[in-house]
Amino acid sequence: SAVISQKPSRDICQRGTSLTIQCQVDSQVTMMFWYRQQPGQSLTLIATANQGSEATYESGFVIDKFPISRPNLTFSTLTVSNMSPEDSSIYLCSATHGTANTEAFFGQGTRLTVV
Amino acid sequence: GNSVTQMEGPVTLSEEAFLTINCTYTATGYPSLFWYVQYPGEGLQLLLKATKADDKGSNKGFEATYRKETTSFHLEKGSVQVSDSAVYFCALGDNTNAGKSTFGDGTTLTVKP
Repeated sequence: SAVISQKPSRDICQRGTSLTIQCQVDSQVTMMFWYRQQPGQSLTLIATANQGSEATYESGFVIDKFPISRPNLTFSTLTVSNMSPEDSSIYLCSATHGTANTEAFFGQGTRLTVV
Repeated sequence: GNSVTQMEGPVTLSEEAFLTINCTYTATGYPSLFWYVQYPGEGLQLLLKATKADDKGSNKGFEATYRKETTSFHLEKGSVQVSDSAVYFCALGDNTNAGKSTFGDGTTLTVKP
């Protein structure tokens, strides 16, 4: 298994500012992902965080808006840049030990409110 | 591509009632199937999984059987408790090397005493 610590757990931010969310895993993991979860909705994958290289973004998400770092096998950050109220959501970090067909582990999420 | 269709919610049951949450999937190959649970204010955690056809995953009284012929993975529990109130997500593993999972829309279960 893997235990994922995510911080902050929640934040209220002013529009136009940026917030960086940190994700720390207690063991080395192969894959790390960032998801967005709108209230009452399912998970939308933002990107795959690649160790030592640029993240792989899903359609509709761009690096300028959601820069991601992954300097090693246990840590990643997601920045939500130039925030607007539409960015208010829960952001979830996830990790897997393998690549194909493996279960995912999740952090507790960051609840972001942009005012 | 892969997709998961999950029974629409929300679902409200009385304590000790029988629970079924339907899940069907579309996928190429033979992916693993998962049910995750999300309690209020928390992230998702794995509830159970099945890795091949006819496998039954079980945990905490919940069960689901991987049915290849009907492409289904329905979640069941014989007697729900108030503490089972949560959001349940059916998910499909990625059988390529991308490592991504595909999630259903989630079903909110509320169990009343």
